[in-house]
Amino acid sequence: DIQMTQSPSTLSASVGDRVTITCRASQSISSWLAWYQQKPGKAPKLLIYKASSLESGVSSRFSGSGSGTEFTLTISSLQPDDFATYYCQHYNIQGTFGQGTKVEVK
Amino acid sequence: EVQLVQSGAEVKKPGESLKISCETSGYRFTTYWIVWVRQMPGKGLEWMGSIYPGDSDTKYSPSFRGQVTISADKSITTAYLQWSSLKASDTAMYYCARLKGSGYLIDYWGQGTLVTVSS
Repeated sequence: DIQMTQSPSTLSASVGDRVTITCRASQSISSWLAWYQQKPGKAPKLLIYKASSLESGVSSRFSGSGSGTEFTLTISSLQPDDFATYYCQHYNIQGTFGQGTKVEVK
Repeated sequence: EVQLVQSGAEVKKPGESLKISCETSGYRFTTYWIVWVRQMPGKGLEWMGSIYPGDSDTKYSPSFRGQVTISADKSITTAYLQWSSLKASDTAMYYCARLKGSGYLIDYWGQGTLVTVSS
């Protein structure tokens, strides 16, 4: 099975900061990588798919990059609504999620 | 508008059975996979399994095979997740979700059903 590992597990940041979260796959997954945002008590929300494609309606301050085994999610200027937990997901052969990265207030 | 509306929170005792539901609307139910995802308290997302309502083809993650049963009723566009004998370790939030049509990518989620198993 392909394992997905995110880093860091927790990230402390301030409004306006540029934030980067990394996701590594245990073997190449090409660009079959998605990012979701989850707020407490809510279902996750799709942000990015195919490593870098922005889901319709998602703010352009979110961007994704990478291919193969290393991927990043970047929030260009952190907003109050962005404090949440972010998950990467390999979605080709299986639906494995990373363990999550919590973005908290610094 | 695509909607997935899940049944309400449940409190059960160990050993009891349970079936939770995911009622869908706003799209052709038989042509999209539905998946169930577990989230234990304070933990991450775990893929449990999926069903294609068109032909009831079902796939389970190895960790959940034999532990739960996923089913669907086309006549009422509803998917189900059921347990025959609950354990305390089944306490979690359970989400149903729709696969977008590209691999296992999820585009719509239900609001979640909290299952609490306690003696």
